[in-house]
Amino acid sequence: EVQLAESGGGLARPGGSLRLSCAASGFTFNTCAMSWVRQAPGKGLEWVSTINYSGSSTYYADSVKGRFTVSRDNSKSTLYLRMNSLRAEDTAIYYCAKGEYNYGFLFDRWGQGTLVTVSS
Amino acid sequence: EIVLTQSPGTLSLSPGGRATLSCRASQSVTGGYLAWYQQRPGQAPSLLISGASSRATGIPDRFSGSGSGTDFTLTISRLEPEDFAVYFCQHYGSSPWTFGQGTKVEIK
Repeated sequence: EVQLAESGGGLARPGGSLRLSCAASGFTFNTCAMSWVRQAPGKGLEWVSTINYSGSSTYYADSVKGRFTVSRDNSKSTLYLRMNSLRAEDTAIYYCAKGEYNYGFLFDRWGQGTLVTVSS
Repeated sequence: EIVLTQSPGTLSLSPGGRATLSCRASQSVTGGYLAWYQQRPGQAPSLLISGASSRATGIPDRFSGSGSGTDFTLTISRLEPEDFAVYFCQHYGSSPWTFGQGTKVEIK
């Protein structure tokens, strides 16, 4: 069974940093693109970032480009999101999502999410 | 950037009723790379439909997707209690990979 477990969320000050992790199991992690998708309280879904299966290619939404960095450790089946220069508008639940094998930006499994709150 | 507009914002229906949800794209979604997700209250989203009309594994056949180009539809033929949720469309063919704002299906 595919499982994705996010961690690392919490309260951060504006301008601060956090690192999110997503531990994956139940599938061959090093063959799938992985993504982060966020959802502000009571709002819709926003794609944040994607990394390809090997880590050689990364993609970012304009809203986080230059502030967030996605990475992965295939030996640990873990996805990361380093978030710097945090803003109030980054407050959201951050979901880790597995890319479908043939279409990496189609999200066929999701974790339960971790809440990030940016506030002074 | 492809903007996806979903309508209506909220759909109030009774169990056993038929739900028709619309997703309209600002430009053509090439290859039919359009997905639908369901999000139940307090839960993460889950994939329902990909390629505009292909049900994901384990999705019951009361869910069907259709459409091409800029107009797509998700139909739930007979609403079960667990179907009352929010539904999002998403295109996954080109960057940025955007979502619609969602349609809430609520119990009337």
